[in-house]
Amino acid sequence: GESVGLHLPTLSVQEGDNSIINCAYSNSASDYFIWYKQESGKGPQFIIDIRSNMDKRQGQRVTVLLNKTVKHLSLQIAATQPGDSAVYFCAETFPYGQNFVFGPGTRLSVLP
Amino acid sequence: EPEVTQTPSHQVTQMGQEVILRCVPISNHLYFYWYRQILGQKVEFLVSFYNNEISEKSEIFDDQFSVERPDGSNFTLKIRSTKLEDSAMYFCASSATGQETQYFGPGTRLLVL
Repeated sequence: GESVGLHLPTLSVQEGDNSIINCAYSNSASDYFIWYKQESGKGPQFIIDIRSNMDKRQGQRVTVLLNKTVKHLSLQIAATQPGDSAVYFCAETFPYGQNFVFGPGTRLSVLP
Repeated sequence: EPEVTQTPSHQVTQMGQEVILRCVPISNHLYFYWYRQILGQKVEFLVSFYNNEISEKSEIFDDQFSVERPDGSNFTLKIRSTKLEDSAMYFCASSATGQETQYFGPGTRLLVL
C-alpha cells in the first residue's frame, strides 16, 4: 500500500538556525496533513496542519509547505531552540478516511 | 487546556494474559482512536471508533483486540491473549470530527513477557 516516507532520518542543526524537515507522500488522494512532534516517552503532539487546497500555512515559528505536484511536505522551524529536539512525524489522511498514516519520523537534534 | 489521558502509564503482563488499556478522550470529541508504536518504529493505526461502533480498523486489529466505550468518558482497548509482539506503546487519540486534528494521549507502555 501507499505510505508516507521521509528523506532524512536524522537532522542536526545549530541552535538559532532554521530547520527544514521533509516528507514524501505517495497517495495523491491524501487531502489533509499534520506534523507531529514526539519527545521521548511522550505521545505525538500536534504542531501544524494543512489541507490539500493550500500550499503554505504558518504558525508560531513553524511553517508547513505542501507541494502537491511532487507530493512533498516540509516543516520549517525558525530559530531552532533546544526544546525543539524531538522526533518529527508527518501524517496524512485521505478523503473520508479516519486514520492517519504516519511517516517513519525524523530525529531533530539541536546543537548548542 | 483539555487533553487526552491514559492509564496505566506502564503495564507489564505475562504472555497469554488479557490487558485493558484505558483512555479518557477530550470531553467534547466524538471520534476516538487507538494507535501503537513499537519501540523505535513509526506510529501505526489500529482502530477508529465513532457513535459506539468501529468505523475503521487496520490489519493489526485482529480478533484478539476489542474496543469499548463503557460510559460517557472512558474508551478502552482490550487485548485478549497477549503475545510478545504486542509489546509497544499504545496511544489513544480523539478528534472533534473525523477529518480534523487528532489529539494524542501520553501513551501506555505495554511489555509482554
